[in-house]
This record gives sequence, structure tokens and C-alpha cells, in this order.
Amino acid sequence: SQELEQSPQSLIVQEGKNLTINCTSSKTLYGLYWYKQKYGEGLIFLMMLQKGGEEKSHEKITAKLDEKKQQSSLHITASQPSHAGIYLCGAPEETSGSRLTFGEGTQLTVNP
Amino acid sequence: DGGITQSPKYLFRKEGQNVTLSCEQNLNHDAMYWYRQDPGQGLRLIYYSQIVNDFQKGDIAEGYSVSREKKESFPLTVTSAQKNPTAFYLCASSILISNYGYTFGSGTRLTVV
Repeated sequence: SQELEQSPQSLIVQEGKNLTINCTSSKTLYGLYWYKQKYGEGLIFLMMLQKGGEEKSHEKITAKLDEKKQQSSLHITASQPSHAGIYLCGAPEETSGSRLTFGEGTQLTVNP
Repeated sequence: DGGITQSPKYLFRKEGQNVTLSCEQNLNHDAMYWYRQDPGQGLRLIYYSQIVNDFQKGDIAEGYSVSREKKESFPLTVTSAQKNPTAFYLCASSILISNYGYTFGSGTRLTVV
């Protein structure tokens, strides 16, 4: 089965700093989703990447999928306290496209 | 507004008791899922259903049961056979081919007392 490894597991940054979270797959990715979760709440969809080399941005968050489609990164520019939370990557299984496997998540703290 | 509703938000269960977590969606999504989240372990799939009256086991189905009698509803029963049920449970739904992945409910925190 597919495994997704996220790094770092946790991250503490000062407000205004840039940061990057990585998601690495053991197999070729057929799609990669990024979600954000506030503690004790559900997950909120951020972005979906599908093509090798694809890059998408929303406000100050940029996600990229590498050409080999085995690694994705999520970059936050000029972080704000509102960016704090848990970031999770998810990928569809090859044999069941609707079933997602998730990474363990990255806990982000942004200090004002 | 369309969405997915989980209830209750908090649930306490005595050891040896079964308990059922509710999940309802009005998004007309075909597929529904149950995940368990423990600290430091991300989300693990318990059960999923792609069509009414059919469902498949996920990676950690032991001690859990589900039903899918209606498209809108996918309740999860945590049975007494589940040895470590204290966790945060998340329900999600999706159309079968989507660029937006899942829509998640707000979760149910189950505690065994």
C-alpha cells in the first residue's frame, strides 16, 4: 500500500517567516491533496496537484509536485498566526481512486 | 448550505459498551469514509462505502461496524471488541472522481471511561 511521509513533524516559526513542509511518497503519485486542520476540527481542502511539475498558489500558500511525482512541498510565505494548525497531505490509491491515504501531518505553530 | 454533519461532538463510553457515531451528508456524494485520528499517527481508514448497501474494510476495521442504507448516511458503531477506542473520529464524503478530494465533518471525540 502507499505510504506518505511528511517532514518535519512539527514546526515553530516567528510570524513573518517563510516555511516549507514536505510530503514524500513510496510510490508514484496519481494526485496529491493538501489539507489544513485546526485542533479538534475537520480537515479543510487547500489544493490538489496532479501533473508532474505542477504548482498552485492560493493567497500566501504555494504547493508543488515534483517532475517524478513522488514528492510534494507546501510553502508558506510571510507566515501569520492564522496559518497555525496541522497540515496533511493525502494521495489516492492506485487501485481505488476515491480512497485516500494520508501522511502523519505537520503541526505548525506561528508565534506573534 | 450543503455539508457533512457528525454528531455528537463529544462522546463518552463505558468499557464493554457499543456506541454509534452519526454521519450525515446532503452533498449528494456517492462515497463516504470513516477515519480515526490519534496523536502523531495521522488519519487511518476504518471503513468506506462507494454505493448504497455496500462498504469495504479499510486498514483498521477490527472492532468497528458500519451500514449504508441511505446515500446520505454512514453511521459507525464502535463495538466492545475495539480494544483502544479512545480517539478522534472523522467522517468524509466525496464524489467518486473529484479534483477536490474529500469534504470532512467536524469530528467526534470518543473517550472510554
